[in-house]
Amino acid sequence: QVQLQESGPGLVKPSGTLSLTCTVSGASIDRHYWNWIRQTAGRGLEWIGQIYGGETTNSSPSLKNRVSLSVDTSNNQFFLKLTSVTAADTAVYYCARGWSASSYYNYWGQGILVTVSS
Amino acid sequence: EIVLTQSPGTLSLSPGERATLSCRASQSVWSNYLAWYQQKPGQAPRLFIYGASSRATGIPDRFSGSGSGTDFTLTISRLEPEDFAVYYCQQYGTSPLNTFGGGTKVEIK
Repeated sequence: QVQLQESGPGLVKPSGTLSLTCTVSGASIDRHYWNWIRQTAGRGLEWIGQIYGGETTNSSPSLKNRVSLSVDTSNNQFFLKLTSVTAADTAVYYCARGWSASSYYNYWGQGILVTVSS
Repeated sequence: EIVLTQSPGTLSLSPGERATLSCRASQSVWSNYLAWYQQKPGQAPRLFIYGASSRATGIPDRFSGSGSGTDFTLTISRLEPEDFAVYYCQQYGTSPLNTFGGGTKVEIK
């Protein structure tokens, strides 16, 4: 049974860095494509980026300059860092597993609400 | 970037009725790589359909997907109480930037 669980601060100050962890169980982090997706009422579901094989990363062109993705294979976790956040980055953030670089997602975390506010 | 437009925004139906949800793409979806998800309040999206017409594991056969190119449909043959939710389409034919539609809410009439 594959399970994903997001964790991290629920409140980030404007211009700060949003840092989230996704802990995976039931699957190896050095296989598959591990993704971050966020959801807002205004913009709906938005793909942020992915990491594969512990090194290869892709991210949305609209966020690319602010996104950093990494993994910790020893703890079966992967991470998202989003810099220079504004109120527009307030969203529910999900981690999800894909089977290729472009994929549907059959496993999702429960999501974590991150609010950007002073 | 492929833009997905879902219609209608809200569908008001009664249990037992048939639901037809539309997803239209701004350009052809490569290899019909189109998925449908169901989302209930406070939950993550759940995969229901992939490859435009293949049901995901555990999805009942009252759900069916169809379409190709730019026009896709999710049909729920007879609505059960647990089917009232928001449904999203997603195209994953453009690597790696896939996109989602804005959603259709199926509500109880």
